[in-house]
Amino acid sequence: NAGVTQTPKFQVLKTGQSMTLQCAQDMNHNSMYWYRQDPGMGLRLIYYSASEGTTDKGEVPNGYNVSRLNKREFSLRLESAAPSQTSVYFCASTRDRGSHNEQFFGPGTRLTVL
Amino acid sequence: LAKTTQPISMDSYEGQEVNITCSHNNIATNDYITWYQQFPSQGPRFIIQGYKTKVTNEVASLFIPADRKSSTLSLPRVSLSDTAVYYCLVAPNTDKLIFGTGTRLQVFP
Repeated sequence: NAGVTQTPKFQVLKTGQSMTLQCAQDMNHNSMYWYRQDPGMGLRLIYYSASEGTTDKGEVPNGYNVSRLNKREFSLRLESAAPSQTSVYFCASTRDRGSHNEQFFGPGTRLTVL
Repeated sequence: LAKTTQPISMDSYEGQEVNITCSHNNIATNDYITWYQQFPSQGPRFIIQGYKTKVTNEVASLFIPADRKSSTLSLPRVSLSDTAVYYCLVAPNTDKLIFGTGTRLQVFP
């Protein structure tokens, strides 16, 4: 099992460019999440998908869109990147949204917006 | 949502036991307490979870008093590889996890 995979690992964008971060899990999990982590800070939830076909906003959704393509894949799109979106982005998945389920995290995508 | 408070940083030496206490005074009845570990340039990794009393696994122990207003993560005999940031989270489900700044543990030889 690869667990949670993310592509790309690193990306540099210019202000105004768009890009999509890809995430996939092979654990047959129902729920998937996108977080961002700024230097020296904890993770903040951007969007989540409790189950295939549903998505909901988290704490910091502005400037982002998501797509739950199927049960395995959950993508995060920046339509017009801004320097404030420079961060490390983590995707996570869990069996379901019950409190007793651990989240499994991917290795992260380090994004720099110039 | 229950707010958590934990020390910003802790130092220890190899072989010592480390206890990190987290305060969560307004924990709700259906909240679980979960601890994650994060190494530099990696995503967080689940360590342990509990609801009340004591939970132990191969990595750590979690002590939760009867009033559940605090919890203590205990790492026995730490090594250099335990140097990481440790997050205490209190939530009713995984949609509501809030990662604060965590406790940065530095283990010295």
